[in-house]
Amino acid sequence: AQKVTQAQTEISVVEKEDVTLDCVYETRDTTYYLFWYKQPPSGELVFLIRRNSFDEQNEISGRYSWNFQKSTSSFNFTITASQVVDSAVYFCALRASSGGSYIPTFGRGTSLIVHP
Amino acid sequence: ETGVTQSPTHLIKTRGQQVTLRCSSQSGHNTVSWYQQALGQGPQFIFQYYREEENGRGNFPPRFSGLQFPNYSSELNVNALELDDSALYLCASSQGGGPRTDTQYFGPGTRLTVL
Repeated sequence: AQKVTQAQTEISVVEKEDVTLDCVYETRDTTYYLFWYKQPPSGELVFLIRRNSFDEQNEISGRYSWNFQKSTSSFNFTITASQVVDSAVYFCALRASSGGSYIPTFGRGTSLIVHP
Repeated sequence: ETGVTQSPTHLIKTRGQQVTLRCSSQSGHNTVSWYQQALGQGPQFIFQYYREEENGRGNFPPRFSGLQFPNYSSELNVNALELDDSALYLCASSQGGGPRTDTQYFGPGTRLTVL
């Protein structure tokens, strides 16, 4: 069975602080895919990144960076110099084989509040 | 490029009724997935359609059913509504075939309230 754990329910920071959102996943499959989505108050999930299980290379995109470590089954997301517009709920998701159907599993989300 | 659209935006039903939610996929996408997101929770996968066939289903009862049309738009039907069906229903489309892991792009959702 697949599982995604986002242990941080809510994080509150002041603008310009760096913040890391944790994601720990569980799967028995050797091939799987990890995602991060942002959900602003409007409700629409916005795709941020996708990472394949065979590619452990970390990635940086502007103020966003992702640290994928298979040894600890973690896929953490860091926002550098946070801004008020970063306030949203962030979801980590896993798609693993599960008999070939790649059923997606989402974590419960981390609510990030960035204060001016 | 047109994004994923959903209708209606909000809906109020009473227990026992039936509801149909609609989704238009992003241009060029042939796969549609539906999710249920209860308040304060992550999205829960309901099912996925590819070329008008269901090709993946989550842990939802048969009263949740769907359709995909030749233009790749989709409907989610829920029969015998229960109070716990109150949630945000999200549609996501992706490009590519079958049970793939292509990136999904989400619509704004339909907020269903069951009284």
